[in-house]
Amino acid sequence: AQKITQTQPGMFVQEKEAVTLDCTYDTSDPSYGLFWYKQPSSGEMIFLIYQGSYDQQNATEGRYSLNFQKARKSANLVISASQLGDSAMYFCAMKREAAGNKLTFGGGTRVLVKP
Amino acid sequence: DAGVTQSPTHLIKTRGQQVTLRCSPKSGHDTVSWYQQALGQGPQFIFQYYEEEERQRGNFPDRFSGHQFPNYSSELNVNALLLGDSALYLCASSLVGGRDGYTFGSGTRLTVV
Repeated sequence: AQKITQTQPGMFVQEKEAVTLDCTYDTSDPSYGLFWYKQPSSGEMIFLIYQGSYDQQNATEGRYSLNFQKARKSANLVISASQLGDSAMYFCAMKREAAGNKLTFGGGTRVLVKP
Repeated sequence: DAGVTQSPTHLIKTRGQQVTLRCSPKSGHDTVSWYQQALGQGPQFIFQYYEEEERQRGNFPDRFSGHQFPNYSSELNVNALLLGDSALYLCASSLVGGRDGYTFGSGTRLTVV
């Protein structure tokens, strides 16, 4: 079965510092996409960043960047200059072209930003 | 531009009852997917609707069923509720094939007592 693993259940980070959230995935499909979502206590999944398996460059979106290491099957999220509002659950997810239009999620990492 | 709207936000049901959750997709989106998120876990895919038909289904029993209407809105029905059905139910809309990504609603928190 295709799987997404997030090994860090929870992390503390000091405000204004950078934090890296780990994500590894398992697939033999050549075409897939990797997503990161933020879920605050309100419950809504907020899209942060996307990386396609054929993308040559690592994705960046403002303070978010994705460290994509295809050979290692990892897609770590880096949040720079953390803000108090970054405190939330973060989920890594994968979409495989062969599996249609569904997302497979990891178990999530809770981030708490300290002032 | 309204995002994905889900209703109700919370509800409490008794074991054995039936429940219907509703979702209005983001304007311009034609595909609706439903996910179940148990407490402390990542969301699990239930099923997806496109052109008023179920296109994909995850590993959920037949007690879980759905519908999509001509205006692309969708319902999730769960029959014979179990305590284990207590979860946050998320709706996500997209264009077919997931082009341009997925937009999630804030979910419906279902508690079965």
